[in-house]
Amino acid sequence: DAGVIQSPRHEVTEMGQEVTLRCKPISGHDYLFWYRQTMMRGLELLIYFNNNVPIDDSGMPEDRFSAKMPNASFSTLKIQPSEPRDSAVYFCASSFGTSGFTDTQYFGPGTRLTVL
Amino acid sequence: GESVGLHLPTLSVQEGDNSIINCAYSNSASDYFIWYKQESGKGPQFIIDIRSNMDKRQGQRVTVLLNKTVKHLSLQIAATQPGDSAVYFCAENGSSNTGKLIFGQGTTLQVKP
Repeated sequence: DAGVIQSPRHEVTEMGQEVTLRCKPISGHDYLFWYRQTMMRGLELLIYFNNNVPIDDSGMPEDRFSAKMPNASFSTLKIQPSEPRDSAVYFCASSFGTSGFTDTQYFGPGTRLTVL
Repeated sequence: GESVGLHLPTLSVQEGDNSIINCAYSNSASDYFIWYKQESGKGPQFIIDIRSNMDKRQGQRVTVLLNKTVKHLSLQIAATQPGDSAVYFCAENGSSNTGKLIFGQGTTLQVKP
C-alpha cells in the first residue's frame, strides 16, 4: 500500500483565497483524521471521521474551516477565506478502527500551507 | 523579534549510547499508547505501541515501558544512531471506543556523532 496520500505537498496562497487540501487514506481504514501542526501549538486534532461521517469537529478553529469525506477513499479540508495565521503543516492520518479499541494512526507526509 | 513557540525538551546523546525518552500521560482511562517519530519535513511515523494490559513491549532496538500507577510511559532506544535524531511524540487514546489519540508536545532527540 502507498500509505496515506496528501496533496498538494506545498501550497502558497494569498490572504482571502480559498485553499483545499486533499487526502486519500489507506485502503480499508475506516477512520480519517485531520491535524494541524505549528511551532506555537504543536500537533492539534481538527476533525475526524468514522465511516465517512464526521464524529468530532471540536478542534476546527472557526467557520472558515470545513472538511468533507464524500467516500471512503477521499477527504478534503477547505479554508475559505484563508488568513496568514492559518499557515501551518496539515496532516491527514487514517486508522483501522477495531471495534472497542483505538488503533494505530498512520500519517501522510503533510501539506505545508503558507498564507501571505 | 523574539521567537515564541513550544519549547520542546531536548535529549542529547552520544552515538552508540542508549536513549530514554519519557512521557507523562494525562488520562487514567487511557488504555492504548503509541510512540511516534517525526523527522524534519515528514509526518509522524509509528514506532511502537502498547496496551494497558502490558507493562513492557519490545521492538527492534526499541522498548516501551508503561507504568500505570504513576501514568508514565517511556521509550528506550538501544545503540542510538544518527538516523534516530528526530522529535518523538507519545500519544494516548483517552478512553476506548473514540478512535482518536491525544498527543504530547514531543521531545527532541539529538544524536552526537
